[in-house]
Amino acid sequence: SQQGEEDPQALSIQEGENATMNCSYKTSINNLQWYRQNSGRGLVHLILIRSNEREKHSGRLRVTLDTSKKSSSLLITASRAADTASYFCATAEQTGANNLFFGTGTRLTVIP
Amino acid sequence: DAGVIQSPRHEVTEMGQEVTLRCKPISGHDYLFWYRQTMMRGLELLIYFNNNVPIDDSGMPEDRFSAKMPNASFSTLKIQPSEPRDSAVYFCASSLGTGGTEAFFGQGTRLTVV
Repeated sequence: SQQGEEDPQALSIQEGENATMNCSYKTSINNLQWYRQNSGRGLVHLILIRSNEREKHSGRLRVTLDTSKKSSSLLITASRAADTASYFCATAEQTGANNLFFGTGTRLTVIP
Repeated sequence: DAGVIQSPRHEVTEMGQEVTLRCKPISGHDYLFWYRQTMMRGLELLIYFNNNVPIDDSGMPEDRFSAKMPNASFSTLKIQPSEPRDSAVYFCASSLGTGGTEAFFGQGTRLTVV
């Protein structure tokens, strides 16, 4: 399968704590993206990191990419109850094709 | 722009019936994707179009599934005949450009085949 895998499958933390989710993939990539999905809704793009980048920040989000290990991590700092959602990584292959391959997702629950 | 619009939001149909899902991508986006999401298989890419032309339909599960994009502002995914195992949430997404750019998703159609 070309899909990535997120780890852990589920994560439960207290509000204010940091949440870290990991993603592993199999192919050479052009970029890696993280998406968020609230229950019953569509996916929403959070951040994109290119294959030549190692770290990227956006607000309370920090993404790292290690292409040698084919892995990425998403850190959400100072979590809020509103961050409760499923988080997916998606990879765009180096071939330049525009399709994205999504991982299995991490279900994050932030307890108020 | 209102974003990617899908209809219907929910569909319940009997096995053997034809089902048509609809999608209006964001204006100006030249890529359109159809995904299926289930608990067992996660988010699967079914087919995607570039400038209304199907590029990769290798994810379409069976001949019962077909997709069309007659113009830049409309696409359909049809299942005929439908089966209970087709029950899932079907998402349409659109994007601009090449090389795996940000995809914008619709709200999805929850299909239940009984």
